[in-house]
Amino acid sequence: DIQMTQSPSTLSASVGDRVTITCRASQSISSWLAWYQQKPGKAPKLLMYKASSLESGVPSRFSGSGSGTEFTLTISSLQPDDFATYYCQQCDTNLFTFGPGTKVDIK
Amino acid sequence: QVQLQESGPGLVKPSQTLSLICTVSGGSISRGSYYWSWIRQPAGKGLEWVGRIYTTGSTYYNPSLKSRVTISADTSKNQFSLKLISVTAADTAVYYCARAGDGSGSYGREYAFDIWGQGTVVTVSS
Repeated sequence: DIQMTQSPSTLSASVGDRVTITCRASQSISSWLAWYQQKPGKAPKLLMYKASSLESGVPSRFSGSGSGTEFTLTISSLQPDDFATYYCQQCDTNLFTFGPGTKVDIK
Repeated sequence: QVQLQESGPGLVKPSQTLSLICTVSGGSISRGSYYWSWIRQPAGKGLEWVGRIYTTGSTYYNPSLKSRVTISADTSKNQFSLKLISVTAADTAVYYCARAGDGSGSYGREYAFDIWGQGTVVTVSS
């Protein structure tokens, strides 16, 4: 089974900072990688799919890149609403797997 | 606008069976090419995919739960359900139902969960 890792596990940043989160797969997953944002008590919200496709309604300060085994989610200028936990997720031969998450908190 | 809503008991006794239903509104679970999934999240922890039922009715489960999980669909009620047998405290979590599209790009988002239910808390305790 494919394992997903994320780094860092926690990230302290300020409003306006450029933030990058990395997700790695234990083997190639082509571009079948999605990113979610989750706030306390809420269901996850889809941000990116197919590694670099922006979900409808998601601000353009979010971007994704990568293929194969290494992927990144970048927030170009962190806004107050962006403090949350971010998860990557892959799908390989019927099996969906989430990364362990990256919490973005206020510096 | 497709919406998902989980329902079921909030408290289950150890060794018993956890049963949840996801009711889909605004669209048919038997149309298109979607993976209708259950995902859970213990308090303070990450997301764990439990399993899915495809539009055709085929199922696939997380190998770590496979021996205890059954997902089925009732197309007449536009619902899909989760049964988890022999539960323990480790199964205590928020359970979400969610929809992902297939890899064609014609339905939803390719292998990504674009629509989620609000989640339901299930506690396993005597």
